[in-house]
Amino acid sequence: DAKTTQPTSMDCAEGRAANLPCNHSTISGNEYVYWYRQIHSQGPQYIIHGLKNNETNEMASLIITEDRKSSTLILPHATLRDTAVYYCIVRGLSGGSNYKLTFGKGTLLTVNP
Amino acid sequence: DTAVSQTPKYLVTQMGNDKSIKCEQNLGHDTMYWYKQDSKKFLKIMFSYNNKELIINETVPNRFSPKSPDKAHLNLHINSLELGDSAVYFCASSRDGGSSNEQFFGPGTRLTVL
Repeated sequence: DAKTTQPTSMDCAEGRAANLPCNHSTISGNEYVYWYRQIHSQGPQYIIHGLKNNETNEMASLIITEDRKSSTLILPHATLRDTAVYYCIVRGLSGGSNYKLTFGKGTLLTVNP
Repeated sequence: DTAVSQTPKYLVTQMGNDKSIKCEQNLGHDTMYWYKQDSKKFLKIMFSYNNKELIINETVPNRFSPKSPDKAHLNLHINSLELGDSAVYFCASSRDGGSSNEQFFGPGTRLTVL
C-alpha cells in the first residue's frame, strides 16, 4: 500500500474551514484515497473517499490533485465535535490487502472555541 | 439500532486467562475485521473474514483465534493472555472487501491484562 504523510497536529477556530493535507506521492493509478477520523475513545468513523475526482458529502469535501500525489480534506464549518485524529489512507488492491485499512499516525485536529 | 456492536466494552483480567470478545453487525455486510489499537494509539489490522472465510491474518500470535459462526458475527478468542495484549480492540464490517467500500467500526473493547 502507498504510504501517506500528514502533519502531526493542526488547530482550527470553530466555524472556520479546516483544511487537512495529505501526501501520497507513491499512490498507484487504481488506488483510492480514504479519510477516516477517530474521536477520543470511539471507533474510527468513515468520512469520505475518492479516486481521481473531487468528492463532497454531508461531512466534508475531498480535493485530490491532478497528479493524485496529494489530497486535502476540507471540513467547511468546523465545530468542537470535529476535534479528532484524522487519518488519510490509501487502499491497496493487490490480493487480500484491499480488505484492510493501514492506519498511520494521522493528524490531531483541535477545534478551538 | 447500533450497526456494529461489541461486547464487552471493558474487560479486565489476569495474565494467563482465556477471554472472548464478541462482535455483531446488522448491516448485512459480507466482510468483518478485527483491529488492535495499542497504548501508542497505532491502529493495526489483525484479521479479516469474508463470508465466514479468513482473508487476512496479519502477524498475530496463534493465541488469538477469530471465529465467525455466521456472516453477522466475528468473535475474537484470546488464550493465555499476556500483559502486552492490553489494548483497545475494534471490530469493523464492510459490504465486501472491495476498495470502494467503507468500513464501519464498533465502539471498541478495552482489554486490560493485569
